[in-house]
Amino acid sequence: SQQGEEDPQALSIQEGENATMNCSYKTSINNLQWYRQNSGRGLVHLILIRSNEREKHSGRLRVTLDTSKKSSSLLITASRAADTASYFCATDVRAAGNKLTFGGGTRVLVKP
Amino acid sequence: DAGVIQSPRHEVTEMGQEVTLRCKPISGHDYLFWYRQTMMRGLELLIYFNNNVPIDDSGMPEDRFSAKMPNASFSTLKIQPSEPRDSAVYFCASREALGGSQYFGPGTRLLVL
Repeated sequence: SQQGEEDPQALSIQEGENATMNCSYKTSINNLQWYRQNSGRGLVHLILIRSNEREKHSGRLRVTLDTSKKSSSLLITASRAADTASYFCATDVRAAGNKLTFGGGTRVLVKP
Repeated sequence: DAGVIQSPRHEVTEMGQEVTLRCKPISGHDYLFWYRQTMMRGLELLIYFNNNVPIDDSGMPEDRFSAKMPNASFSTLKIQPSEPRDSAVYFCASREALGGSQYFGPGTRLLVL
């Protein structure tokens, strides 16, 4: 299976609500990154959290990392219709040559 | 910077034809990656380069696929001969250094009939 696995696979919420998605991985990482992909577009980098960090914020985004559980979460607060997209976690593993391994993504639908 | 540039944006071809996808990475980025995205298999890394040298091509599906990076500002992914199962969106991405974030191009949507 993939190094990064997102959960849930799909999420539907109302505008204004918070959206939380999780990512689990198997091996030790250098960092973990979250990306967004709007339909028909390329992936856009959102946030990077290093293995020695536990939490990071960027605007309405909050990312946590628990290396003991090998998991990360992405929280989008006060969601907007424009947040509708697929969200991917990617792990940077030194043993894998520092190439990013992407999970299957979480499809988020924010209803107006 | 214009970001990662890919061409063409869309390609429709017939089975057996040669397909060439092109990518211009962000200037100054030492790493270039080719990915393929399908509904069934998600986002797959095909090959990546460091300073124009192929480092890991273990994701290249088979001998029909080849990639080159003749200089720091240009890379190609070639499929010859193409097959319907190659239909996918192909992304190029570049990265400045190890441990950094990747910047993706808009992708090439390939349909092989």
